[in-house]
Formats: sequence, structure tokens, C-alpha cells
Amino acid sequence: DIVMTQSPDSLAVSLGERATINCKSSQSVLYSSNNKNYLAWYQQKPGQPPKLLIYWASTRESGVPDRFSGSGSGTDFTLTISSLQAEDVAVYYCQQYYSTPPFTFGPGTKVDIK
Amino acid sequence: EVQLVESGGGLVQPGRSLRLSCAASGFTFDDYAMHWVRQAPGKGLEWVSGISWNSGSIGYADSVKGRFTISRDNAKNSLYLQMNSLRAEDTALYYCAKALGGTTWGWYFDLWGRGTLVTVSS
Repeated sequence: DIVMTQSPDSLAVSLGERATINCKSSQSVLYSSNNKNYLAWYQQKPGQPPKLLIYWASTRESGVPDRFSGSGSGTDFTLTISSLQAEDVAVYYCQQYYSTPPFTFGPGTKVDIK
Repeated sequence: EVQLVESGGGLVQPGRSLRLSCAASGFTFDDYAMHWVRQAPGKGLEWVSGISWNSGSIGYADSVKGRFTISRDNAKNSLYLQMNSLRAEDTALYYCAKALGGTTWGWYFDLWGRGTLVTVSS
């Protein structure tokens, strides 16, 4: 099974500042035949179900603000919130769908306001 | 409205059984693979089980294999999870999720329900 790790466990960022979350997979999730990274990011606000933010490592889901961006390839990925807003307080999870089942999630990164 | 609504959770004693349901609406249910994902209190997300659009492929996490059974009824736009021999560590909020993608299992989960809480305790 592919193991997903995330860092940091939590971070506090001032409003309007940049937040950066890292995700690492235990093996590459890049499929060479189509050059796609099988990696998604989800946002989970308190008391709510997860919400898809980004798929294919860098494609924003419809309706997701463009302050959210994903980058990386192979085994190392980053979710960036370019200008943190109050409504972005949440836990963020990465997930691989390269080798399934099982679908595996990272442990989550909690983002708060400083 | 496009939505998934879970039901069937509750308090159950260790060793007993429970059946969860997920009612889908607003999309063509039998076009998509469907999954169950759970979240223990204060913890992260754990994939539990998935089923292809035609029930031809089924998968389970090692933690539930042999105890849980996933199924679907496309005529009723419904997904199910039969949970037997429940343990305290199965206590969690169970989410139903729709997978987007043309493969057997789909790829990422683009629609989630609000979850149904299962508590296993004596």
C-alpha cells in the first residue's frame, strides 16, 4: 500500500499570508503513460464532510478559489493557499488514487489563523 | 439537488451488526463507483470499502475485510455497508462518497455525504 505523509501537522498563518502544506507518498504516484499525478487534496471544515479541492495534483475543482493551488510530481506535493482567509480554517488532506484499492489519505494538516 | 444521504448509524454493542445505507440523488448513480470512508472521533480519513458501478469489483481495507460487506442497488440509487462483528475501533463517522473517473474504482471523491455516526460500546 502507498503510505501518505503530510507536514506540518498544523500551522497558524496570519490573514492574507501564505500557507504551505506538504504531502509525500511512499512511492511515485506519477503514471508515466499519461504524465498525470494521481493525487488529490481535500478540505474539511469543522463539522463538515471533506470537500474536493484539487485533483491530478494541480487541477482545481470547479468553484474552488484560485488562491488554492497544487504543485509537485512523483512523490512530493504541495498545497498552497496564497492569501489565507478566515474561511480557510480547516484540516487539509492529500489522497493518492494511483494504486487502489486501498485509497490512502495523509494524516491531515490543520490550518488556523495566527 | 446532487447529494448523498447516509443513514443507519447508532449505538451498538461489540460483536453485533449494523447496516448503513446511502441514498443518492441528482446524478446517474449507476455511472459511478461508490465508496465508504470513515473518520474516528478527532482522527483522519480512512477508506473502508469501494464498489464498481456494476458491483463487479469490490474492495475492502484490511481492517474490515471479512467483517464488512459493501453492496449497491442501482435501481434504488442506494449504497449499503453491512457491518458484522463490530469492534470498539470501528467507532467513527461513516461517509458515503462518489468517485469520479472511468476506471473500476474511480479516482478522486467529488461528492460526499454528511456521514452517519457508528458508536460501538457496551
